[in-house]
Formats: sequence, structure tokens, C-alpha cells
Amino acid sequence: DAGVIQSPRHEVTEMGQEVTLRCKLISGHNSLFWYRQTMMRGLELLIYFNNNVPIDDSGMPEDRFSAKMPNASFSTLKIQPSEPRDSAVYFCAIPRRGAYYNEQFFGPGTRLTVL
Amino acid sequence: DQQVKQNSPSLSVQEGRISILNCDYTNSMFDYFLWYKKYPAEGPTFLISISSIKDKNEDGRFTVFLNKSAKHLSLHIVPSQPGDSAVYFCAAGSNDYKLSFGAGTTVTVRA
Repeated sequence: DAGVIQSPRHEVTEMGQEVTLRCKLISGHNSLFWYRQTMMRGLELLIYFNNNVPIDDSGMPEDRFSAKMPNASFSTLKIQPSEPRDSAVYFCAIPRRGAYYNEQFFGPGTRLTVL
Repeated sequence: DQQVKQNSPSLSVQEGRISILNCDYTNSMFDYFLWYKKYPAEGPTFLISISSIKDKNEDGRFTVFLNKSAKHLSLHIVPSQPGDSAVYFCAAGSNDYKLSFGAGTTVTVRA
């Protein structure tokens, strides 16, 4: 997973604070997914970018969540204001090259805790 | 609305025995199914997949079985090894970019 770098790896913040999660793609890619993992619901797709444009943001929980992909190497997921129920592990992923399109390659994730 | 369900949150198996993980889906449009493995503090990694035109796919110790009529798939790991202890996610997709994931099954392989 050296091709997808996420930062920070852990984030602890207080309710109401703004949180920004980052995803860096070493080789660049024109498609990117953001997922959220919780115990109850497993992995949920939040948003999908293609050619740096959000194609599907139907999984974004509410207006407190926003995401950008300004170029093929970088994306951010912002939560403002954060709430305790946002506590989860957030992953970004890219389609795996050379494979069937649906095979996705995940970053190591950011564990977010909102107190 | 979970379209992919893994009803067993955990599974404990003795080393050398078979691990069987189950997954059910509701969307008949799914035509591709995958299993991912996840270790703590790492992202999920692709393990094995199967197309809806097949009913079995094997890769070393890992075999995935698909029963389309029952909308059910399973992952068999034989023999189970301590390094197989992880969370396993079942995922399904159709001819687009989306994957629907199950909640995961935590496998513990006992020595």
C-alpha cells in the first residue's frame, strides 16, 4: 500500500472541531474513493471521484462532510463541525491497475475519534 | 440498507482446520464478488474474487464458492494458519465503480 498515503493515521478531536483527512497518491490516479468503516455498518462508500470530479457523493452523511480532489495526486475529506458519531476509520482507495475495475486498492486509513 | 450481509461477526478455528466464511447479498444485479482481508491498523487488501459466470474460484488455500440462486457466497480457507487471523470483508459490485461491503467477519486461528 505504499502507493496510497493517508494522514494523519490517528486523529483525536473534540466535538465541534474541524477535521481534515488527507490522501496522497504516489503515482497519481484519475479515480479515488473515500470509505468509512464502523463496527456496525462495515465499509461504506462516502464519495467517488473520477477525473478529479465528484461523480457520486450519495454516501456523504450530511452537509458537515465535504471532499475535494484538486489534482490526480491528492484528496481531502473534511468534517466541520465534527460529532462523536463520526468516530470511525476512514480509508481512501483507488482502482487497482490492470485488474477488473472493481478491485480497489486501499490506503492504511485514518482512525478518527471525536470526543 | 445493507445489500451485502455477513451474519457472523466472528469465527474461531484451530490451526490446520478449515475456515468457512459466509456472505449473503440481496441485489440480483451484482455480477462480481470479492473478498478482502484486513489486519489491524492497515487498509483492506484484495484476496480473491469471482465472476457471476462461475461458481468456484480457487487460489492456493483460498476458495470462493458462489450460489447465485441462493444469493450466497462463501470463502474457504484450508488449512487455516495463524497469519490468517484478520477481518474478512465480503464485497459485491455490478458493471460500475461501486462496491458494496459487508460488515466483516473477524477470524481467529488458534494454535
